[in-house]
Amino acid sequence: AQSVSQHNHHVILSEAASLELGCNYSYGGTVNLFWYVQYPGQHLQLLLKYFSGDPLVKGIKGFEAEFIKSKFSFNLRKPSVQWSDTAEYFCARRNSSNTGKLIFGQGTTLQVKP
Amino acid sequence: NAGVTQTPKFQVLKTGQSMTLQCAQDMNHEYMSWYRQDPGMGLRLIHYSVGAGITDQGEVPNGYNVSRSTTEDFPLRLLSAAPSQTSVYFCASSYSREIGTGELFFGEGSRLTVL
Repeated sequence: AQSVSQHNHHVILSEAASLELGCNYSYGGTVNLFWYVQYPGQHLQLLLKYFSGDPLVKGIKGFEAEFIKSKFSFNLRKPSVQWSDTAEYFCARRNSSNTGKLIFGQGTTLQVKP
Repeated sequence: NAGVTQTPKFQVLKTGQSMTLQCAQDMNHEYMSWYRQDPGMGLRLIHYSVGAGITDQGEVPNGYNVSRSTTEDFPLRLLSAAPSQTSVYFCASSYSREIGTGELFFGEGSRLTVL
C-alpha cells in the first residue's frame, strides 16, 4: 500500500531559525505530492504541491519543498521561521489508483518561540 | 463562493446516539471525502465519493455511513456513536483527475465528543 512518512513529530524552533521538515513517500505510480498546513483551530490549507517539472517548488508564505526522486523525499523548508508559522504540517501524496484520494503523513507539529 | 461548508462545528453525543455531519460544496467538485483527525495519527480516510450516486470505503469506515444523492452534498452518518469516534472530522472535495490537480479543499472541521 502507498504511504507517506514524516520523521519529525514535534519541532521547536526560535524565530529566524531555518526549518526543514522531512517527508518520504512510498514507491509506486505517478507521484503527486502536497504539503498542507493547519493553524491552531483552523482547517487544512494547501502550502504547495508538486506534479512535474522543476523539483524545487515554491509555495505560499516563503515555504518551498524539493522533490528528490532518488530519495523518495519531499522535504519542506523555510529559511527563517516566524512565530506565526506555529502550526501542524502534513505531507501527502495522491493515490495513483484513485481519483481524489490523498494519503497523509502523521503530521509534524511546529512550535516557534518568539 | 463558500467553498466547503461543514455543520455542526461542535457536537457532544452520548454513547449509542446517532447523528449526521453535514457537508456541502459549491465548486462543482466531483470528488468528496470524509477524514478523521486524531493526535499522532494524521488524517485517515473514512469514506469517499467520486460522483453522485457513487460511494466507497476508506481506511476506517466502520461505524459510519455516507450517501451522495447530489454533487453538492455528502453527509456522514454515525449510526451508534462510540467513545472511539471522538475526533475532529473534516470534509474535503476536489475536481476529478481528468480536469483537476488533485488538490483537496477542506471544510473547517467538526469536533465531535462521545461520552
